[in-house]
Parts: sequence; C-alpha cells; structure tokens
Amino acid sequence: EAQVTQNPRYLITVTGKKLTVTCSQNMNHEYMSWYRQDPGLGLRQIYYSMNVEVTDKGDVPEGYKVSRKEKRNFPLILESPSPNQTSLYFCASSLSGGPNYEQYFGPGTRLTVT
Amino acid sequence: AQSVTQLDSHVSVSEGTPVLLRCNYSSSYSPSLFWYVQHPNKGLQLLLKYTSAATLVKGINGFEAEFKKSETSFHLTKPSAHMSDAAEYFCVVSDRWGSQGNLIFGKGTKLSVKP
Repeated sequence: EAQVTQNPRYLITVTGKKLTVTCSQNMNHEYMSWYRQDPGLGLRQIYYSMNVEVTDKGDVPEGYKVSRKEKRNFPLILESPSPNQTSLYFCASSLSGGPNYEQYFGPGTRLTVT
Repeated sequence: AQSVTQLDSHVSVSEGTPVLLRCNYSSSYSPSLFWYVQHPNKGLQLLLKYTSAATLVKGINGFEAEFKKSETSFHLTKPSAHMSDAAEYFCVVSDRWGSQGNLIFGKGTKLSVKP
C-alpha cells in the first residue's frame, strides 16, 4: 500500500531534550516536506526536500533541522525543543516539486513539549 | 506573494442540505488550487485540484469547486451534505511557477453536519 508513515504518532518531552520524528514514504517520491499545524493557523511548511541531499527552508524553519540521505526518509530533528514547538506535525511527499503534483500526507505526530 | 483566505472558520448545515465553503486566493501567477479534507484525528486527504484545465473541478465524495479568476475565488460545494462530511476543510494555493512545491494553506473551515 502506498503510504507515508511517521513515528512516533504521539510524543511528550521536556524542554531541551533532543528528539527526532521519522518520516518514510514507499512511493519513490522525489519531493518531501514537513508541516506543522496549529489551531487557527492552518498548516505551515517547515522544511522541504526536492531530492536526496537537497533541502531548503520553508516558512517556519527556526528550531528545526532535517536531512535527506535516502530518497524514502526525511527525518525532522528538534535539537533543543521548546514549548512553542508543541504542535501537530505532518510529513508529506509528492512525485516531484511544483504545484501540479498531489502531496500525500502522513498521519501526523502530536508533539507536546513541557 | 500567494495567500488564501477561507471566509468562514465554522460552517454548520443539516444533513441533506447543500454545502458551501468559501475560499479566496491571491497569487502573482496562474495558481494551482486544492481542497484538502481532514477528518478528526486523521491526516489530510486531497478532495480535488485545479491546475488550469476545466474551471469546474469535480472531486471525491460528490464535492466540486469552481475556479473564478475574476473573483479570485475557489469555493467548494456539495449538493447534499452527509454526516460523514463533518471534518475540517483546507483551501490551498500553490504558485504555478514555483519549484519548491510549497503549499500555502488557508486557516481551515470546520464543517458540522446536524442530523
């Protein structure tokens, strides 16, 4: 089954403790992206990757890191999480970048930073 | 710069009555426009998309949207609401000429369906 998977689905952590949220897709998609969703704000892009070893900042990259060493994986790293990073995070992938390609979303990771 | 405005944060309809979710966009170029749906505790699913072909776009589950360039609108409609349509709906714009594939999301409209 074609899908985007994220782990963990739920995470509660403390301020400053490094964490990684994994994202994997099995559709051989070139483009992958991370979004955060906050009430009343919709989804905002954090980082994206056009292909392996090619990443760039989205609209809200502060406090996040990403890497793209393999085509299927695109982990999101929070080196020193803070409470304002409490949010619902979505990973997405599409065949290619650009507006004509449907993005497929993972199920989401709900992160709470205390 | 692109932006999208969903005119209602919450819409409530009765089962069997029409649904109208309003969306206005702003884009420097010919936009691509999408509607995504998010059911409670679920990820996002594409309902339909407009990419400069027919201005009336049909999607899944009986939804459709009409691209009106003169009004910069892309409203989502359905003739008859079903209880299973209760969800949050996002209007999304993407710059046709951009290469980064960034989707700009509206703030969402929560649709409630009363029996």
